[in-house]
Amino acid sequence: QKEVEQNSGPLSVPEGAIASLNCTYSDRVSQSFFWYRQYSGKSPELIMSIYSNGDKEDGRFTAQLNKASQYVSLLIRDSQPSDSATYLCAVKTGGYNKLIFGAGTRLAVHP
Amino acid sequence: DADVTQTPRNRITKTGKRIMLECSQTKGHDRMYWYRQDPGLGLRLIYYSFDVKDINKGEISDGYSVSRQAQAKFSLSLESAIPNQTALYFCATSDGGAVYNEQFFGPGTRLTVL
Repeated sequence: QKEVEQNSGPLSVPEGAIASLNCTYSDRVSQSFFWYRQYSGKSPELIMSIYSNGDKEDGRFTAQLNKASQYVSLLIRDSQPSDSATYLCAVKTGGYNKLIFGAGTRLAVHP
Repeated sequence: DADVTQTPRNRITKTGKRIMLECSQTKGHDRMYWYRQDPGLGLRLIYYSFDVKDINKGEISDGYSVSRQAQAKFSLSLESAIPNQTALYFCATSDGGAVYNEQFFGPGTRLTVL
């Protein structure tokens, strides 16, 4: 069974701090990795995609990928209360663009 | 206008009833998916379709069926609803011609089976 694991949280950080969200995956041949943000009762919103080892930055968000360790992370700099949400890690596996989702990490940014 | 729409947004029904959830998209994507989300379990794939003539089961297809009426429309049916099908249901789409095939989600349907 191919799995994607995330700490469920909640991860609580003060406003302005860096939030670090982590994800591990079991399928070594996975090639594409995605982070979605989901507010309570809303649909997942794609915020980052990463395909190569290393870091990818987009505004306050940085995704980090280490395929050797089967590990992907998301850093949120200057965290804001509006960042409070559940963050879903998703891994593309197989040849049919199927995504396997982690259960998500709940982030709470407090003023 | 929303790129991916789902109807209804909320539905309460009784055990044994037939239910259809509908998904439409204006993104021009060829690939469409149905997921369900339960608290603590994340998103699980029910069915997916890569074009009108291609339908595939996901990890939890038992008790569900789908129909791809057109490239833009993908419906999910529960032939005889049961309480453990109470969940949040999401439709998603992706562009098979894109390099990384990111998936984009509709607003969801909250289904309650009594």
